[in-house]
Amino acid sequence: GDSVTQTEGQVTVSESKSLIINCTYSATSIGYPNLFWYVRYPGEGLQLLLKVITAGQKGSSRGFEATYNKEATSFHLQKASVQESDSAVYYCALSDAGSWQLIFGSGTQLTVMP
Amino acid sequence: ETAVFQTPNYHVTQVGNEVSFNCKQTLGHDTMYWYKQDSKKLLKIMFSYNNKQLIVNETVPRRFSPQSSDKAHLNLRIKSVEPEDSAVYLCASSHRGLNTGQLYFGEGSKLTVL
Repeated sequence: GDSVTQTEGQVTVSESKSLIINCTYSATSIGYPNLFWYVRYPGEGLQLLLKVITAGQKGSSRGFEATYNKEATSFHLQKASVQESDSAVYYCALSDAGSWQLIFGSGTQLTVMP
Repeated sequence: ETAVFQTPNYHVTQVGNEVSFNCKQTLGHDTMYWYKQDSKKLLKIMFSYNNKQLIVNETVPRRFSPQSSDKAHLNLRIKSVEPEDSAVYLCASSHRGLNTGQLYFGEGSKLTVL
């Protein structure tokens, strides 16, 4: 079945430094899946950060970017300069076209140190 | 701003008891979901409910059952809780299925089974 892999369970970065959170996926459908990053800030519900539904395209939101790389089956999340307010749990996810399911990775807890 | 409301946010109970979690969305969406987030922060889909059509993840034990009075409400009932049911249960909603991937989540209902 489909799966999403996030290798880092926890990441700690100093404020103003750059960030990469890794995400790779495996999808069984013939077409390409839709890819997403969701984020859960402390005390808030899980919310969509960005999405890309076309292979090769880049999505961006709140200074974060992720590029849909179909050759590497990756969708890494990047930010050039993190802020303390970015501290949260980040989930990579995919859905196959027409599927009722959103498949999540295991999540990455990001802590930004002042 | 939260538009998916879950109650209660916390519940502690003993093995064998019955538990219900309520969920209401005010977004006018036609599809609602329940996800389970375990102690390792893994998110797994349990149910999807769209226009009175229920889709069940086959791995969900039979003691779990969704209950819906209309498209704005989807409750979760656990008939006789087990220790492994301790988790955070997340309700979500979306419009016209998952083709956009834009799910809106509630803040979660944390269940502790003693």
